[in-house]
Amino acid sequence: EAQVTQNPRYLITVTGKKLTVTCSQNMNHEYMSWYRQDPGLGLRQIYYSMNVEVTDKGDVPEGYKVSRKEKRNFPLILESPSPNQTSLYFCASSLVGRNTEAFFGQGTRLTVV
Amino acid sequence: QKEVEQNSGPLSVPEGAIASLNCTYSDRGSQSFFWYRQYSGKSPELIMSIYSNGDKEDGRFTAQLNKASQYVSLLIRDSQPSDSATYLCAVKVGELVFGTGTRLLVSP
Repeated sequence: EAQVTQNPRYLITVTGKKLTVTCSQNMNHEYMSWYRQDPGLGLRQIYYSMNVEVTDKGDVPEGYKVSRKEKRNFPLILESPSPNQTSLYFCASSLVGRNTEAFFGQGTRLTVV
Repeated sequence: QKEVEQNSGPLSVPEGAIASLNCTYSDRGSQSFFWYRQYSGKSPELIMSIYSNGDKEDGRFTAQLNKASQYVSLLIRDSQPSDSATYLCAVKVGELVFGTGTRLLVSP
């Protein structure tokens, strides 16, 4: 089954404790991205990647890191989480090209206390 | 700054009515347009895509695109309570840019 898999689905952590949210897709998509979703603010892009070893900042990259060492994986790293990073996070992937839809993972609800 | 604007709603319609959702975008270079439906706490799912001016119909859904006016809309005919969700307009200009979504409430 074609899918984007995120883990964990739920995470509660403390301020400053490094964490990684994993994202994996099995559709051989070149393009992968991370979004955060907050009430009233919609989906805001954190980072995206057009292909292996190519990553770029989105609209809200501060406090986040990503890597793209393999085509299928695109982990999101919070080196020192803070409470303002409490949010619902989505990973998405698609083929590169204009008429291509994005497929989303199930989401990760992160709470930083 | 690429912007996609939607009315946050809620848009309330009775069951069986037509729901009309609207979206405007700022970048004239926008190439592709998508409507996603998102239930609370769930991931967005694609319901319609449109790439050229005019209408595109799929079942109860019709997407309309007017590039000259930088306007895209989604019509839902015979609205059902199960259509109650947030509808996200997304525009592709290189990356995919989302609006903040319109919340639709369909009352029985």
